[in-house]
Amino acid sequence: EAGVAQSPRYKIIEKRQSVAFWCNPISGHATLYWYQQILGQGPKLLIQFQNNGVVDDSQLPKDRFSAERLKGVDSTLKIQPAKLEDSAVYLCASSLVGSKKLFFGSGTQLSVL
Amino acid sequence: AQRVTQPEKLLSVFKGAPVELKCNYSYSGSPELFWYVQYSRQRLQLLLRHISRESIKGFTADLNKGETSFHLKKPFAQEEDSAMYYCALTLSRNQGGKLIFGQGTELSVKP
Repeated sequence: EAGVAQSPRYKIIEKRQSVAFWCNPISGHATLYWYQQILGQGPKLLIQFQNNGVVDDSQLPKDRFSAERLKGVDSTLKIQPAKLEDSAVYLCASSLVGSKKLFFGSGTQLSVL
Repeated sequence: AQRVTQPEKLLSVFKGAPVELKCNYSYSGSPELFWYVQYSRQRLQLLLRHISRESIKGFTADLNKGETSFHLKKPFAQEEDSAMYYCALTLSRNQGGKLIFGQGTELSVKP
């Protein structure tokens, strides 16, 4: 079974630059999540989609972060402009509607210099 | 606010020894509790959930609402259990899986 796909695997940028991450969930999973995991901490939810609608974005720093899931399948998370404190692993996860079993991707490790 | 606390960053045991990874939570309602595991160079994956009351890879966890704890236990640790373990909760009324994670405990099982 194909898992959650994420790209790129690693990204290094300078502060104030922009960056985008891509995620393709497991086929048939209508719910998609973006988590941020800072070194030494557990993952923190940024945004949750169901199909192409936002369910929860209460912890998304909307002044610099944006996310979309236009066709209800794959999703893009963008940071513009990046700050040093955005250095983290960005994890995408998906699940069936109503399920609390999440399937995680390998993550994108972002370093902001 | 909901919170999950894992007091130990690192737990080191010898093979065959019992293991207990601690997890405490704060939430006044009815949470659902989970343990997720990340083995070296692998993805974060679900290990077990309290409502299933199951044993996975010899691990069990019991929800203690009085002590607001969900400790993960295994009677005899194996080297392949070495990994990062995260306790997480979600509100049972949630649609879907908005998870609140603890900081994680690294388990190291020595031969």
